[in-house]
Amino acid sequence: SYELTQPPSVSVSPGQTARITCSADALPKQNAYWYQQKPGQAPVLVIYKDSERPSGIPERFSGSSSGTTITLTISGVQAEDEADYYCQSVDSSGTWVFGGGTKLTVL
Amino acid sequence: QITLKESGPTLVKPTQTLTLTCTFSGFSLSTSGVGVGWIRQPPGKALEWLALIYWDDDERYSPSLESRLTITKDTSKNQVVLTMTNMDPVDTATYYCAHGIVTTILGAGYFDYWGQGTLVTVSS
Repeated sequence: SYELTQPPSVSVSPGQTARITCSADALPKQNAYWYQQKPGQAPVLVIYKDSERPSGIPERFSGSSSGTTITLTISGVQAEDEADYYCQSVDSSGTWVFGGGTKLTVL
Repeated sequence: QITLKESGPTLVKPTQTLTLTCTFSGFSLSTSGVGVGWIRQPPGKALEWLALIYWDDDERYSPSLESRLTITKDTSKNQVVLTMTNMDPVDTATYYCAHGIVTTILGAGYFDYWGQGTLVTVSS
């Protein structure tokens, strides 16, 4: 089965840059999407089609893709960015898949 | 404004069938490129995609749960229903429905609006 692998945790200090990776276990890689989830809340889409930012999402959130690895970058991290982040994609058979999630801690 | 809301039992017994309803507004599920999906999240764990129904009635299921899931839609009522059979305590989770945007012919896409979720506990 298609899997998306994320690091369990990432820690950064305020103002630094956080990078969260998501590795797909097979090619071809479809577009990837990123969601932010704060405790007790539903997920919020922060990046779609690898690198597009929905309206209302701060410019410090960006996405990129290289080979089978997708990266969410948060530049100038703020305390409010502390959350769980999930990548999502779709495999070649049309099955939607989420990564295991990464807990971002702002020190 | 797109909104979605999940409804259904908060407690089910093992072996019972769970029926959840997603009632939405602000879009039509007969619009090309639109879908409604179900995602669950056990307490303290990751998101897990369950199923999706597309505007054209195509259905997709998580391979690991496909034998237990059925997703249907009632376009006139703006509702999507998910049934899951043979419930087990490991199925205890918050269940979300979400508005999906389809971006490829393959049926790939993403969720841009989510419901608030409903916690379902499986216990005797």
